Amino acid sequence: EAGVTQFPSHSVIEKGQTVTLRCDPISGHDNLYWYRRVMGKEIKFLLHFVKESKQDESGMPNNRFLAERTGGTYSTLKVQPAELEDSGVYFCASSQLSGTDTQYFGPGTRLTVL
Amino acid sequence: DAKTTQPPSMDCAEGRAANLPCNHSTISGNEYVYWYRQIHSQGPQYIIHGLKNNETNEMASLIITEDRKSSTLILPHATLRDTAVYYCIVRVPFSGNTGKLIFGQGTTLQVKP
Repeated sequence: EAGVTQFPSHSVIEKGQTVTLRCDPISGHDNLYWYRRVMGKEIKFLLHFVKESKQDESGMPNNRFLAERTGGTYSTLKVQPAELEDSGVYFCASSQLSGTDTQYFGPGTRLTVL
Repeated sequence: DAKTTQPPSMDCAEGRAANLPCNHSTISGNEYVYWYRQIHSQGPQYIIHGLKNNETNEMASLIITEDRKSSTLILPHATLRDTAVYYCIVRVPFSGNTGKLIFGQGTTLQVKP
């Protein structure tokens, strides 16, 4: 069984540009979560989807971040325009709708904003 | 804000048991304790979780105190490949059985030959 995959693994962009990160959850997992770690800080929750619906986006830092999950499969996280403080590692995790909600993480996307 | 506190680092001899402590004194009754680890630049890897009772799986054991204010992760026979950052996490539930993981700073475990 394939795990959670994320693309790209690394992205280097300039301040003011736009970047889109993609997450493919484990097949059959309806729950999808985004987390991120910025420099020197803990990994923090951003938002949660159940299928295509956003259930909680209390961790989204501001309106420069837009997450979507059209069709309830893969998800994208767009940052527009990117700022220096957005640099960090963005993780995606998925879990089954039934059961214990054990979240399986992808390898992350390392975003560097110059 | 983090809901857990862990020692920043620990050493363990290869083949011995590694006991990693965690304090979560403000945990609520419906919040689970999860343990994950992160090896180098990989994503966090699930280890084990529990609510009140002690738990064991093929990777580790989790001992939760009766008042639920602290827990210990036990790796029974540590190997060099167990060197990683270990996160003790409180899962804050949403509706249903979903929830967000609240990470702390973690403990860097160094297993030495």
